[in-house]
Amino acid sequence: SAVISQKPSRDICQRGTSLTIQCQVDSQVTMMFWYRQQPGQSLTLIATANQGSEATYESGFVIDKFPISRPNLTFSTLTVSNMSPEDSSIYLCSVEGQGGYEQYFGPGTRLTVT
Amino acid sequence: LAKTTQPISMDSYEGQEVNITCSHNNIATNDYITWYQQFPSQGPRFIIQGYKTKVTNEVASLFIPADRKSSTLSLPRVSLSDTAVYYCLVGNGATNKLIFGTGTLLAVQP
Repeated sequence: SAVISQKPSRDICQRGTSLTIQCQVDSQVTMMFWYRQQPGQSLTLIATANQGSEATYESGFVIDKFPISRPNLTFSTLTVSNMSPEDSSIYLCSVEGQGGYEQYFGPGTRLTVT
Repeated sequence: LAKTTQPISMDSYEGQEVNITCSHNNIATNDYITWYQQFPSQGPRFIIQGYKTKVTNEVASLFIPADRKSSTLSLPRVSLSDTAVYYCLVGNGATNKLIFGTGTLLAVQP
């Protein structure tokens, strides 16, 4: 299994600003994923990030709002841009396990937009 | 990709076997099924994965019928520490489409 850390663990931001969330993995991985989990809800995939290529976004999510970087095999960032209260949520990153089916998740970043 | 639905909640007592079912009527041929456990303020934790029939590991079993339109996670002899939200996830390795189920809150009582 992989050990994943995220920074920050939580933040309170004002509307109109941007926040960059960092995801660090303790081993090299090809596939990284970013999810959003609204309070009391299930997880929704935002995008898939492979090192060396552009992130692939799911329906309803766009690069201008959620730009992603993947500079190497152990690190990725997700930026939540021009935030509004509707962006208040938990953002999680995950990596694909060696079996190709399982995912390992970070602890999440709890974002509150006021 | 399959839309996945689960019961909102289930109650159980310590020592009982618990079966949580996920419905994924539109599952595609190449889709796989995984289950996760999530505690408050933590990321989901992988439990088990399967494609068809039955899979068992040290913590759970996964039953998938022939038509694959549903799957059942079986937890033997639950304890208080198994109180958590359980999610099924239907994924496609070729497209990386990943759909989490609605989640089931399992409450285990003494």
